[in-house]
Amino acid sequence: NAGVMQNPRHLVRRRGQEARLRCSPMKGHSHVYWYRQLPEEGLKFMVYLQKENIIDESGMPKERFSAEFPKEGPSILRIQQVVRGDSAAYFCASSPIRDKSYEQYFGPGTRLTVT
Amino acid sequence: AQSVTQLGSHVSVSEGALVLLRCNYSSSVPPYLFWYVQYPNQGLQLLLKYTSAATLVKGINGFEAEFKKSETSFHLTKPSAHMSDAAEYFCAVSVGGGADGLTFGKGTHLIIQP
Repeated sequence: NAGVMQNPRHLVRRRGQEARLRCSPMKGHSHVYWYRQLPEEGLKFMVYLQKENIIDESGMPKERFSAEFPKEGPSILRIQQVVRGDSAAYFCASSPIRDKSYEQYFGPGTRLTVT
Repeated sequence: AQSVTQLGSHVSVSEGALVLLRCNYSSSVPPYLFWYVQYPNQGLQLLLKYTSAATLVKGINGFEAEFKKSETSFHLTKPSAHMSDAAEYFCAVSVGGGADGLTFGKGTHLIIQP
């Protein structure tokens, strides 16, 4: 069973460009979480999605950031008009939410560098 | 709101010595607690979790943690450190039974001295 897949693994964008980060959850998982890790910091929760629904976006910046998890295809985290402060590692996790044994399985991350 | 504090951003132990990584949490509801390990340039791997069952939880790679409600702690231990244990360790709390976004501590970098 393949793990959580994220692509690209590394992404370089100039200030003002758009960044699109993709996450394919583990097979059978219908819940996706996005986290951001800044240097020397722990992970910060951004958004929790189920298929076609945003469940909790309390950690998302109010502007320029959006996320979706369509019925078909990967989850997308989109950052418009990137700024240097967006440089970070972005991790996706997925969960099956079954048997009350909630575990989040993490992907390898996308490292975004804004120049 | 819940929070996690990890005491010591860096911990250094000798190979074969006891590993103790500290984690204290704050939560207004019974928490679920997790320890994750992160190797350089990789994602996070779950070491163990507490989900309101046994207070002493055993995980992978010989690690274990004990939930102490009176101390609001969930410290991670391993009796004998191995060189391969060198990594970043994160404690995390969930107030939604694990189905919500996790709140992470800032991490502890474990250094193993030969």
